[in-house]
Amino acid sequence: GESVGLHLPTLSVQEGDNSIINCAYSNSASDYFIWYKQESGKGPQFIIDIRSNMDKRQGQRVTVLLNKTVKHLSLQIAATQPGDSAVYFCAERTGGFKTIFGAGTRLFVKA
Amino acid sequence: NAGVTQTPKFQVLKTGQSMTLQCAQDMNHEYMSWYRQDPGMGLRLIHYSVGAGITDQGEVPNGYNVSRSTTEDFPLRLLSAAPSQTSVYFCASSYASGTDTQYFGPGTRLTVL
Repeated sequence: GESVGLHLPTLSVQEGDNSIINCAYSNSASDYFIWYKQESGKGPQFIIDIRSNMDKRQGQRVTVLLNKTVKHLSLQIAATQPGDSAVYFCAERTGGFKTIFGAGTRLFVKA
Repeated sequence: NAGVTQTPKFQVLKTGQSMTLQCAQDMNHEYMSWYRQDPGMGLRLIHYSVGAGITDQGEVPNGYNVSRSTTEDFPLRLLSAAPSQTSVYFCASSYASGTDTQYFGPGTRLTVL
């Protein structure tokens, strides 16, 4: 499949451990944030989102935390599984449609 | 539903050649967009459309043209390919703007020699 992000930051975790992927966003006026997962050879896939009026949102095994004071976003994955191995992108929107993507973090899950 | 489909999956061009990357969606989404993805970088928006007959430029539009004659299709045209356009191209669609989820196609890997 396509090679995505040859020089990305990498996080390596043991299967069953929790993973935390961090992201610094650029625009203090951004009001909507999204995390995407991209597996090799595939397009990005929506994981979870959060609006700027929230600090935390939980999904199935995933939690997103938003700290607007320091413009920081994190994705927590509980009980990480081999199928979670992928590149993870954060993205921000400042009203409207245009989405700005971060460079991504590669997650390796060791069995 | 097939979702968002893209063709071709791989393409090699010579400098100066032109071609069209195809994108189609069967979800009746109003919003469609094209991104390029380069190593070590996030996706960058090339062009987008908020409905049939309406298109607008994104972050990196130079060297690319788009049109939206139907709701389903949103082709991306490279007028005169350059090595700097070597990239992976993704098409995405969403029902509307704002907080609606974007659905991405599988991508087209383009190499310009």
